[in-house]
Amino acid sequence: GQQLNQSPQSMFIQEGEDVSMNCTSSSIFNTWLWYKQDPGEGPVLLIALYKAGELTSNGRLTAQFGITRKDSFLNISASIPSDVGIYFCAGLSGAGSYQLTFGKGTKLSVIP
Amino acid sequence: DAGITQSPRHKVTETGTPVTLRCHQTENHRYMYWYRQDPGHGLRLIHYSYGVKDTDKGEVSDGYSVSRSKTEDFLLTLESATSSQTSVYFCAISGQGREAFFGQGTRLTVV
Repeated sequence: GQQLNQSPQSMFIQEGEDVSMNCTSSSIFNTWLWYKQDPGEGPVLLIALYKAGELTSNGRLTAQFGITRKDSFLNISASIPSDVGIYFCAGLSGAGSYQLTFGKGTKLSVIP
Repeated sequence: DAGITQSPRHKVTETGTPVTLRCHQTENHRYMYWYRQDPGHGLRLIHYSYGVKDTDKGEVSDGYSVSRSKTEDFLLTLESATSSQTSVYFCAISGQGREAFFGQGTRLTVV
């Protein structure tokens, strides 16, 4: 089946630093989604991307839909302690498929 | 928050017993999904529904069945629970089959 390779698996950063993570695939996707999950909670949708090359922001978060449609990137600027959590990418291939494929997540730790 | 309620939130059951998890939505969304989340595997789709009485298998459907008799309810049944089904189960909903919104999860332990 389709797979998404999400990297890095984990990262430790200082408060105030910028963060970058990405998701790649050998398959083409028509939709890219980014989620954040806090401990004991369900994933929460952060950003949705629908077109190749699209760049979308949500506060300090910015995500991009790669030109090749095989990758996506999420950046967090000026990190704060509440950014701690696991970030997941998810892709939808379209063509009548309604099944999201998820990456395995990036665990973010912020050092105050 | 999307109007999704999962019940129960926690359950401990014995191997070999049947278990049913419930997902209830108040958003009138067409699509509903059941995922399981395990360390090292991320979120994996078990079954999904694209309408009342319309369901299909996902990546890890063996040992699970689902039913959707009403738009708002999607049930996941483990016919005979096994220890390998110990996991956190998430229900998700989607209006157009793109963005999915998740419930808070059910932690199931099979002993």
